[in-house]
Amino acid sequence: EDQVTQSPEALRLQEGESSSLNCSYTVSGLRGLFWYRQDPGKGPEFLFTLYSAGEEKEKERLKATLTKKESFLHITAPKPEDSATYLCAVRDYSNTGNQFYFGTGTSLTVIP
Amino acid sequence: DAGITQSPRHKVTETGTPVTLRCHQTENHRYMYWYRQDPGHGLRLIHYSYGVKDTDKGEVSDGYSVSRSKTEDFLLTLESATSSQTSVYFCAIATSGSAYEQYFGPGTRLTVT
Repeated sequence: EDQVTQSPEALRLQEGESSSLNCSYTVSGLRGLFWYRQDPGKGPEFLFTLYSAGEEKEKERLKATLTKKESFLHITAPKPEDSATYLCAVRDYSNTGNQFYFGTGTSLTVIP
Repeated sequence: DAGITQSPRHKVTETGTPVTLRCHQTENHRYMYWYRQDPGHGLRLIHYSYGVKDTDKGEVSDGYSVSRSKTEDFLLTLESATSSQTSVYFCAIATSGSAYEQYFGPGTRLTVT
């Protein structure tokens, strides 16, 4: 059963064309939703943590928001260097441990 | 940079041989994780550790074992490698307190022939 679903799988934007990436989740014991950026051949790089509905975090051209069922990563006026795969993960503390579940990511390409 | 290194970075091995991957951290974080990343599946948790000698299974633990005898080292062993274990393996640490942010190592590309 998928706990984290990201959409779209791939997104191509012109430089300066704003858009949003979606992450929906179904875990019952949410203890944080996390966004990461991954460049080809590298490990994921931490971007944001969100804990409660209504929370927002910003970093340069990126803004992450959280509702009870989903999170959005808004990209404003993207540049080619924003091209990467963006991963969403949730921390589930409802079972016996401290586990993280990842979505399959959105591959973003920004065209100059 | 969370001071995480993985070794080896690349390895080719034959089916049926044991393989051990090493993750080393320099900042004494309590939580350490091993993931595998495959196209179409994203990152999947194999095992994690919440302290020296304290480990637990993730969602894809079959065929893997782990050990943590020191805070700084977390070892992943493929007891008898199979072609289905060809993947990129990432180690991560999680900060504690209220954050639990994960920071990842550079990855190990493992090919089982």
